[in-house]
Amino acid sequence: DAGVTQSPTHLIKTRGQQVTLRCSPKSGHDTVSWYQQALGQGPQFIFQYYEEEERQRGNFPDRFSGHQFPNYSSELNVNALLLGDSALYLCASSSPAGGIYTQYFGPGTRLTVL
Amino acid sequence: SQQGEEDPQALSIQEGENATMNCSYKTSINNLQWYRQNSGRGLVHLILIRSNEREKHSGRLRVTLDTSKKSSSLLITASRAADTASYFCATDAFYNNDMRFGAGTRLTVKP
Repeated sequence: DAGVTQSPTHLIKTRGQQVTLRCSPKSGHDTVSWYQQALGQGPQFIFQYYEEEERQRGNFPDRFSGHQFPNYSSELNVNALLLGDSALYLCASSSPAGGIYTQYFGPGTRLTVL
Repeated sequence: SQQGEEDPQALSIQEGENATMNCSYKTSINNLQWYRQNSGRGLVHLILIRSNEREKHSGRLRVTLDTSKKSSSLLITASRAADTASYFCATDAFYNNDMRFGAGTRLTVKP
């Protein structure tokens, strides 16, 4: 049973560029959440997708957008990159059936903005 | 914004000793979960405790929850060098699907 996978593992971009990160959820999961983790900090919630729609959003600007596909995989897009966007981006999947809300995390994508 | 705060920020112990980490949060919660993260990689789920539970065990882990004090503790007994990692608590609220993480406790277990 494959867990949550993310690609790419590492990415280097320059200021002003755009980036797309990808996530495949754990088998049987239909909900995908994205988090940003700056060095030495805890993950910060970006947004969550369910049934191909953004269900909830954290305190992130519109430069951060996403998409969920019919197979439940998801993309995170960041436009007009800033130096402060350098972070580990984590994807987590879950299936809130039964009311138990446990998220399973992927290994993350390390984004460096120069 | 982050919901929880872990205490201490860093903890260094010898192998075989117990490690206790604390987490405080600000708003009412539905569940509280603890995660482990090794060297900036993905988070591994350790244990979930519901708001109506007071204590939960899983192997060498013991979690307590005091909703009146809005706090939780994670105890790792008989620690091993492999337990060296950062530990985070995360909360989710009723009808709110985003999880709020603290800044974590960095645990170092010396062999």
